[in-house]
Amino acid sequence: QKEVEQDPGPLSVPEGAIVSLNCTYSNSAFQYFMWYRQYSRKGPELLMYTYSSGNKEDGRFTAQVDKSSKYISLFIRDSQPSDSATYLCAMSRGSNYKLTFGKGTLLTVNP
Amino acid sequence: DGGITQSPKYLFRKEGQNVTLSCEQNLNHDAMYWYRQDPGQGLRLIYYSQIVNDFQKGDIAEGYSVSREKKESFPLTVTSAQKNPTAFYLCASRNNRLSTDTQYFGPGTRLTVL
Repeated sequence: QKEVEQDPGPLSVPEGAIVSLNCTYSNSAFQYFMWYRQYSRKGPELLMYTYSSGNKEDGRFTAQVDKSSKYISLFIRDSQPSDSATYLCAMSRGSNYKLTFGKGTLLTVNP
Repeated sequence: DGGITQSPKYLFRKEGQNVTLSCEQNLNHDAMYWYRQDPGQGLRLIYYSQIVNDFQKGDIAEGYSVSREKKESFPLTVTSAQKNPTAFYLCASRNNRLSTDTQYFGPGTRLTVL
């Protein structure tokens, strides 16, 4: 079993839809959870960063962490064509530990 | 304008050649990282450095070498021993003096072996 599993998609939605992106993991020692957005041929850009369980909201983006289920989610409200990108989840045991990445989900938001 | 720069953006190499990818940051971050990204594979850690003059192997270090002589710079050399070097290479840095900070990435270098 891989440490981090992420459905690669592709996921295609109409503009304005609510998007749900998810990752599951097997290592219960993970404490820090991140979502990165990566446009084609660019470096990943940090979107959300959370510690332990709970929700975090930033504008149209909400990150959720459920440590009991080893499941994290990223919700995008009122999705826009500019949200079309690959979304990578990442997690680590601690702030000085290496990041373990999911393979990324390719999202397309159609106008 | 603070950030991480990588050069060149595109790099072509003939088989048997060593090439060096540049990574520079002006964020005053102590830690720097090199990742490789292949289609459908996600990011894999090659080398990382927590402080100047010190670095550690990541998960896929074979065929690569690094140096960390300056805080701002962490160049990666892809040697001829790397069997499948064609990939997208990403450099990242982190302020490891902050317990809650995470890694920030550069724009990447796409290496193609001809």
